[in-house]
Amino acid sequence: GAVVSQHPSRVICKSGTSVKIECRSLDFQATTMFWYRQFPKQSLMLMATSNEGSKATYEQGVEKDKFLINHASLTLSTLTVTSAHPEDSSFYICSAPRTGQGPDTQYFGPGTRLTVL
Amino acid sequence: AQKVTQAQTEISVVEKEDVTLDCVYETRDTTYYLFWYKQPPSGELVFLIRRNSFDEQNEISGRYSWNFQKSTSSFNFTITASQVVDSAVYFCALNIMDSSYKLIFGSGTRLLVRP
Repeated sequence: GAVVSQHPSRVICKSGTSVKIECRSLDFQATTMFWYRQFPKQSLMLMATSNEGSKATYEQGVEKDKFLINHASLTLSTLTVTSAHPEDSSFYICSAPRTGQGPDTQYFGPGTRLTVL
Repeated sequence: AQKVTQAQTEISVVEKEDVTLDCVYETRDTTYYLFWYKQPPSGELVFLIRRNSFDEQNEISGRYSWNFQKSTSSFNFTITASQVVDSAVYFCALNIMDSSYKLIFGSGTRLLVRP
């Protein structure tokens, strides 16, 4: 079964509003989680690394004030898209590496499709 | 710098044909992992395989097989006797085994298997 969940799976919002996306590891603790963005017919682009107990690390070109990341606990990271605009419409995917059990494997959430009108 | 190249943007085959998806990677690190993921229309990434840089053995899992060749920095994926359900986007990815666990994805290959 799924080991990483995301909520909501789909969200439509008006331009200018903020949207929060949750990513949870279901049966393991994740001190690190990753947030990716995928535009239609394109690859996954890493946006940021969410670190439990410390600030997120953003990839070059990603606005940290626009994409707020909070790693509230060892099983929950949230991505808030602030003042969303139509160009923020995308598929957002989180992942969490499961460590300590041999070769590390990342588990991906099912994704959140954001549409900004 | 690390990079993953999937030169085939789209491939269309007829059911039961064999198809190979190419993946070429670049890294200066000597220890790394390579992955293949499948992304069906639903969007959820499905893990297919992980291979570490010390293990060049080819692997077969049912109709799937993988050919890892360090000499050419390639990690190709073959589906034998393709089926309509294989239609999806397939991503190759690289992780350099550092503490960050970051995955670098290729651009993906969209596979369409026609009945």
